[in-house]
Parts: sequence; structure tokens; C-alpha cells
Amino acid sequence: GENVEQHPSTLSVQEGDSAVIKCTYSDSASNYFPWYKQELGKRPQLIIDIRSNVGEKKDQRIAVTLNKTAKHFSLHITETQPEDSAVYFCAAPKGQLTFGSGTQLTVLP
Amino acid sequence: DAGVIQSPRHEVTEMGQEVTLRCKPISGHDYLFWYRQTMMRGLELLIYFNNNVPIDDSGMPEDRFSAKMPNASFSTLKIQPSEPRDSAVYFCASSLRHSSTDTQYFGPGTRLTVL
Repeated sequence: GENVEQHPSTLSVQEGDSAVIKCTYSDSASNYFPWYKQELGKRPQLIIDIRSNVGEKKDQRIAVTLNKTAKHFSLHITETQPEDSAVYFCAAPKGQLTFGSGTQLTVLP
Repeated sequence: DAGVIQSPRHEVTEMGQEVTLRCKPISGHDYLFWYRQTMMRGLELLIYFNNNVPIDDSGMPEDRFSAKMPNASFSTLKIQPSEPRDSAVYFCASSLRHSSTDTQYFGPGTRLTVL
């Protein structure tokens, strides 16, 4: 299956600062890259996704960028708030979706 | 729509007992996925179905695990006999189309504890 590497595994930022999480994938044919947020004790939920025909997508404070040449994509969260604290997973498909190992984001007040 | 429904939400059992987890996908979704989540191994795909047919069960850890989808609105994941190392959160997810191009919607999960 797809090999998806995600970094960092943990990330702490001050409230109001930006957070960036990066993922790399191995299959150049992959064309759909979702990001999921999982709050403590809850289910993973899609927060944003990007397809390979665009390089960037924004939704309010969240953005995702894609570099197909380098085979990596990143999640950017601006003006972080305490409710952004969660585990974030990237995913990339080859056959079925393969998830990264997750990033525990902590937003410090 | 109520989303993906899973039951039970919590299950505590003793080693050697049979455990059955249940899932109802979102109506109209053609794909159903079973995942296991642990701190050590993260989110692992166990098996997925397309139109009730198992497509890939390579993630099923061993013969103690089995999954069925008798119809479009119901699936089960069974562990027999259960072992302490099976303790994890088991998620069911569904998607309208293949996950390589479409969003997966997760259920609330079943937290399994095997004593």
C-alpha cells in the first residue's frame, strides 16, 4: 500500500501562532489527500482535502498545500485556538486510504 | 442522516470470549471500512467491502478476526476467541465512492477492553 510519513508527531504552539504539519507519500499516481482531525475520545473527522489538480486550498484558518513533484503536502492552521488541540492525520490513497501516524497538536493558552 | 452508527460503544470482556462489533453505514454508501486504532500502531485498516463484498482483508491480524456484510446496511466484525492484545478502539467508516477519491465518514467507534 501507500507509504505515508507524517511529521512532527507532537507539536505545541502558543495560542494565536501558526501550526504546520507535513506529510510525504510514495505513489506518484495518488491524487486525493484528505486531512482528518480527531479530538480526544472522538472519531476522526475530515477537515479539509485537496486533489492533485490544485496546489493549495483554504477554508478559513485552515489551508492545505500540495507539491506533487516532491510528493508532499502540508496542513497549515493560522491563528490557533485552544479548540484546535487534537490529533491530526493526513492520508493518501493507493488502492485504499492509508493514514499517517498522526500529529498531537497542543495549543497553549 | 444519522451518520455511521456503531454498537456497542464500549465492550469489556474476558479473554477467550467472543466479541461482535456492529456497524450501520450511511445509506447509499457503497464502501465500508473497519479500522483498529491503538497508541502503538495508529489507525490500521483491517478490511473493506464494496457493495457488500469483501475486497481486501489483508489487514485482518489473524484467523480469530472475521467480518461480514450480509446487506448494504449492516456489517459485523467478530473476534473469537478474544485476547488482551485485541484491546483497542475499532472504527467503522463508509464512503460513497472509492476512498482514493472520496471522503470516508467514521462512526463513533467501539472501545474494546479484553481482560
